[in-house]
Amino acid sequence: DAMVIQNPRYQVTQFGKPVTLSCSQTLNHNVMYWYQQKSSQAPKLLFHYYDKDFNNEADTPDNFQSRRPNTSFCFLDIRSPGLGDAAMYLCATSRIRNNEQFFGPGTRLTVL
Amino acid sequence: EDQVTQSPEALRLQEGESSSLNCSYTVSGLRGLFWYRQDPGKGPEFLFTLYSAGEEKEKERLKATLTKKESFLHITAPKPEDSATYLCAVQAGSNYKLTFGKGTLLTVNP
Repeated sequence: DAMVIQNPRYQVTQFGKPVTLSCSQTLNHNVMYWYQQKSSQAPKLLFHYYDKDFNNEADTPDNFQSRRPNTSFCFLDIRSPGLGDAAMYLCATSRIRNNEQFFGPGTRLTVL
Repeated sequence: EDQVTQSPEALRLQEGESSSLNCSYTVSGLRGLFWYRQDPGKGPEFLFTLYSAGEEKEKERLKATLTKKESFLHITAPKPEDSATYLCAVQAGSNYKLTFGKGTLLTVNP
C-alpha cells in the first residue's frame, strides 16, 4: 500500500543535542510537509517542500531545518532542541499544494 | 486571518446514539474543507474533502456536510471504534496552508 512512513516513532534526546527525524513516502507526491503538534493542540505547519522548492513558515524558529534529498525522502533537523520542542512531529504529503494531505504516523520527541 | 473553531471540545456518546460535530470557519475564498480522524499517538487519517456549500460526502457511519459558514460531521449509530479526535481544516485563497481547528474528542461507550 502507498503510504507515508516516519522514523523513528519515538525519539528521546537531551537538551541541546541535535536530532534528525525522517519521513519517506511511496505516494510519489510532489509536496512534503512538516508539522509540530503539541498535546491537545492543532497541528502547526513548520515548512514544506514543493518538489525541491523549500517554503518556510514565518514563525518557524531557526532551530528547525529541513532537507529533501529526493522525491521520496524528507528530513527534519532540530539543531539544539529545547524542552519546548517536545512534541509529536508529523510528516504529510500531497500531490499538489491544493490537494488533501496524507499524514504519516508521527514521531514523538522527548527532550530531557 | 483564517480561523477554524470546532465544537464541542469533547463529546461522550453511548453506542448507537447519533450526533453531530461542528466546524465553523472564517476564511476569504474557501478552496476546500477537510475532515481528519486522529487516534491517540498517531497521525491524522484523511476522511473527506468538501469544496462548495451544499456538498455532502459519506463514508460508513460518517457524513460530512458544508454550508458557507460551517461544516458538520454527522455520526450515525456510532460504535466504540469511532472513538477518536476529529479534526477539521480549511484551505483558502491562494494559501496552500491547512488551518486546523483544535478538534473534537469523541468517546463512544459500549
